[in-house]
Amino acid sequence: SQQGEEDPQALSIQEGENATMNCSYKTSINNLQWYRQNSGRGLVHLILIRSNEREKHSGRLRVTLDTSKKSSSLLITASRAADTASYFCATEDDSSGTYKYIFGTGTRLKVLA
Amino acid sequence: NAGVTQTPKFRVLKTGQSMTLLCAQDMNHEYMYWYRQDPGMGLRLIHYSVGEGTTAKGEVPDGYNVSRLKKQNFLLGLESAAPSQTSVYFCASSYGGTTIYYGYTFGSGTRLTVV
Repeated sequence: SQQGEEDPQALSIQEGENATMNCSYKTSINNLQWYRQNSGRGLVHLILIRSNEREKHSGRLRVTLDTSKKSSSLLITASRAADTASYFCATEDDSSGTYKYIFGTGTRLKVLA
Repeated sequence: NAGVTQTPKFRVLKTGQSMTLLCAQDMNHEYMYWYRQDPGMGLRLIHYSVGEGTTAKGEVPDGYNVSRLKKQNFLLGLESAAPSQTSVYFCASSYGGTTIYYGYTFGSGTRLTVV
């Protein structure tokens, strides 16, 4: 079953604009991660936010978490053509110590030069 | 370079054939995972391992078997391939508790087509 659902499914913006994508999940979590996947490649870990954090920054990335709404958002500021990729949120399946993460269906971001 | 290596990168199988996908990591990671990625479905966990000699079922284990005889290797087997197993397969690994800090390290994937 899908834990995280990203919205929108696809997003097209001009270079220099900001891109915002959202993730909703179903159960309580310990932490939430965001990954990027370039076409034909594996996923790359971007940023993690813990359940007791509300906002986190890493370079041009800003992640927020609202546990009351069971949602997170990823903001990419001043986007570049190189940011064109799919973005996935991932939440831990359980707290059994197996660190299994369930991934959403992703947002396909296209940044036009 | 350190990381996760998957072999082969591409493969075409006929229905009923068998094959093994190999995942190797050189980061001394305890945890290893096999996911499949299908259009519109995101990544789904097939099997995982929390250490050498251990394996467990994930979300979609049917039709697959795995083995973790050595800490650095995680093998995914298809005993009798079916067209429904056409997918891109990703292996990932992580270092236990630090997973929550550094996430998974993914391989570059194996694109499998079953005809």
